[in-house]
Amino acid sequence: AQSVTQLDSHVSVSEGTPVLLRCNYSSSYSPSLFWYVQHPNKGLQLLLKYTSAATLVKGINGFEAEFKKSETSFHLTKPSAHMSDAAEYFCVVSDELGNTPLVFGKGTRLSVIA
Amino acid sequence: NAGVTQTPKFRVLKTGQSMTLLCAQDMNHEYMYWYRQDPGMGLRLIHYSVGEGTTAKGEVPDGYNVSRLKKQNFLLGLESAAPSQTSVYFCASSYPGLVSETQYFGPGTRLLVL
Repeated sequence: AQSVTQLDSHVSVSEGTPVLLRCNYSSSYSPSLFWYVQHPNKGLQLLLKYTSAATLVKGINGFEAEFKKSETSFHLTKPSAHMSDAAEYFCVVSDELGNTPLVFGKGTRLSVIA
Repeated sequence: NAGVTQTPKFRVLKTGQSMTLLCAQDMNHEYMYWYRQDPGMGLRLIHYSVGEGTTAKGEVPDGYNVSRLKKQNFLLGLESAAPSQTSVYFCASSYPGLVSETQYFGPGTRLLVL
């Protein structure tokens, strides 16, 4: 069975400083991994997706994530935070074969301080 | 192209009342999903459908029923609402093939059960 653990429920950064949102996963098979973002009172939007191609995945709005099999991690990073990045971020896992529905982490709330 | 829409946006029910949440998508997606989102819990899958006329149980199906009579619509029913079903409900859809494909989310329905 798949599972994800988002290591921080809340992260606060200053505008212009780097962002790191941490995610560890567990999967019996080669995983597909996603990061979704949810802005206040909105639905979720895909940031990026890893599906066994390049281990460094680039997404929208300057975000990227690196798949590290040895560490079972898929951390989300951004070099410089913007006020508009303040949102809830979800790490999501499924198996590579697509036989199981997506499993969501509990979310990390990112606050950006001016 | 409206994407995924949900009706209603907000609803208050009394314990024991019934209601139906409607999800509609205009992207010709085969797969559709219903999730609930509770504070600190992330998104949990209630039911999903891999095609017209088919449904399957997710992680938390008890107390809910679904129907997919038309490809573009996915209905979520609560036969006898309980306070534990107070939540934000999200519908999503994805392209055919794998349940691990990118999902497109609606804006959500806030449900309060008194």
